[in-house]
Amino acid sequence: DSGVTQTPKHLITATGQRVTLRCSPRSGDLSVYWYQQSLDQGLQFLIQYYNGEERAKGNILERFSAQQFPDLHSELNLSSLELGDSALYFCASSVVASGGGKMVEQFFGPGTRLTVL
Amino acid sequence: DAKTTQPNSMESNEEEPVHLPCNHSTISGTDYIHWYRQLPSQGPEYVIHGLTSNVNNRMASLAIAEDRKSSTLILHRATLRDAAVYYCIPGDMRFGAGTRLTVKP
Repeated sequence: DSGVTQTPKHLITATGQRVTLRCSPRSGDLSVYWYQQSLDQGLQFLIQYYNGEERAKGNILERFSAQQFPDLHSELNLSSLELGDSALYFCASSVVASGGGKMVEQFFGPGTRLTVL
Repeated sequence: DAKTTQPNSMESNEEEPVHLPCNHSTISGTDYIHWYRQLPSQGPEYVIHGLTSNVNNRMASLAIAEDRKSSTLILHRATLRDAAVYYCIPGDMRFGAGTRLTVKP
């Protein structure tokens, strides 16, 4: 158990809908990361927050957005869902922020499996 | 961003050493080399990282070439629990396809 929790575990929805994935980082971790893992694209970095502020952006679509709240939990919002958005979405956390060529040790949650029908 | 090349898959016998190679010929001088692994049905977990010198921890050793264009993750005695996808990540957060390691009893 990494100490990172993600809810829900599974989510099934229809195309065009909007969903929210939630992540609670390990106690004391200030940085949160979101990743998408699909069969054809592998594990892709989406976005990073540090202490409430966006820190780095990866391959995040405009239909997706995220935020980190004052209590440090984070939410990933996915809208206008398409079939291709079906994937495992992982949240990770770390004490300090990765960056500058150094990926500090990140602790990954168990993931949320999203299925878009 | 540094591009990485790893074998798609490798096999090992239980209790034998495993050497997982990674080429990252475009790595910049300040990029650390990180290794993560992903066990079946789990999120990735940190294995080891280094900059220039070889590194050891309780899980593995990391051998970094002198020119830093390649590195090798060494599992000294593979166990069945080491069967996973191993990712070599130079720099920040860019996971590639990784190497799927199968460990045979």
